This record gives sequence, structure tokens and C-alpha cells, in this order.
Amino acid sequence: QSVLTQPPSVSGTPGQRVTISCSGSSSNIGSNSVNWYRQLPGTAPKLLIYTNNKRTSGVPDRFSGSKSGTSASLAISGLQSDDEADYYCAAWDDSLNGGVFGGGTKLTVL
Amino acid sequence: QVQLQESGPGLVKPSETLSLTCVVSDFSIISSYYWAWVRQSPGKGLEWIGSIFHSGYTYYNPSLKSRVTVSVDTSKNRFSLSVTSVTAADTAVYYCARALSSLVAGRRDYYFDLWGRGTRVTVSS
Repeated sequence: QSVLTQPPSVSGTPGQRVTISCSGSSSNIGSNSVNWYRQLPGTAPKLLIYTNNKRTSGVPDRFSGSKSGTSASLAISGLQSDDEADYYCAAWDDSLNGGVFGGGTKLTVL
Repeated sequence: QVQLQESGPGLVKPSETLSLTCVVSDFSIISSYYWAWVRQSPGKGLEWIGSIFHSGYTYYNPSLKSRVTVSVDTSKNRFSLSVTSVTAADTAVYYCARALSSLVAGRRDYYFDLWGRGTRVTVSS
């Protein structure tokens, strides 16, 4: 059971906008910044969004992150087939004094 | 180009100790970054194991703390992971990563900006 809660899967059609939610608590998302990682099958995760809404170099502006209270979201607009991947949210947890991840969301482009 | 490379045995027997090393290339481990281990069990999500600063200061996942040690060797620009008394539940792909940790206006920003390719470890007799 992950500390941060994400939907197991989301899907959309090419060109559509999808959002992936990430729910936490006052000790993690509520107190600290949220980051997002993308993982393609058989490869290591890669940092996508950091400090709530900053895109890593090379990440198109179709990807955006936001945070409100104890929840965060990753939005992907203009969906493309190569956006298919697993997406993970993460944050520091003050109670655990360590990093925590969401369970991951598999994005399928129909 | 900065690279992280994990190495270690791919098969460990139950109750024994799992030991992995991560060599950092083209970047000094003596920097403002932390160095971390993250694992992913088959078909599952990511789990943070622990982090170390070049000074030796460590943070550990409370659920693993009693069995985990992360150490650093600055002379060889590498850091290591040791997990004792392993069981099948420790079977996973283990990643090493570079972590940035900063505190701004009371909020901690902690993320992994660079990852190794991962090494698969199976616990089995």
C-alpha cells in the first residue's frame, strides 16, 4: 500500500487531455513539493516534473503539474501514442522522514 | 556524461545479505546531492530505500531501516547498499539515483534527477 494514492490506470485518445491525480496527506504533499516520474517498460524512471510544476529539460509544455492542499495532478494535453507509460508521483514525508511514491498510473493511448 | 551504474549479484539466497554498489561517473560524489537507492518489485511500484550524503549522513525508509545500510566511498566515487536477512519479498530491480534535497520556506523539495539503469536481484534458494 503506497503512501500516495494514484489511480491504477487512465486512458485517452490521441489529441485528448488527460489528468493523473495523486492524493496524500498533510505530512507529505500538504507540506512539501511534488515530483512526477515517467517509466517506460523495462527502463528506469525519469524525472518529468519537479517542484510541483517545473518541467525537466526536454519535456514538452504539453505536460504540466499542479498542487492544491494535499493533492496534486499531472495533466497531459495533446495526447500522443508515445505518451504511453507508467507515471509516478512522489514527495518527501515529514512523518516518515523519507521519500514516498504513489503506486503508479498506467497511461494507455487508445 | 554523468552516469550511475549498479552492480552486484543477481541471485541471493534467503536469510543472506544483499550487497550492491553504484559507481558514479563524470560527477563527484562530493557535491550538494544526496545518493539514493530505490527498488521496484516485479509488477509493482517504486519504493524508496534510503539516501546518503557524502559526509555519511543517512536517511532510511522506516519499514526497512532495521535491515538496510547505505554507505559511501568517496575515494572510489561510489556508494553501496546492504540488505540483511533477505526474503522473497526483497526480490526487485534495484536502482541507484542522484537526489536533490532542498528546504525552501519550510517546504522540502526532494527528487531524483538521474537514475542508473537498474539491476535485477532475485532472492531464491
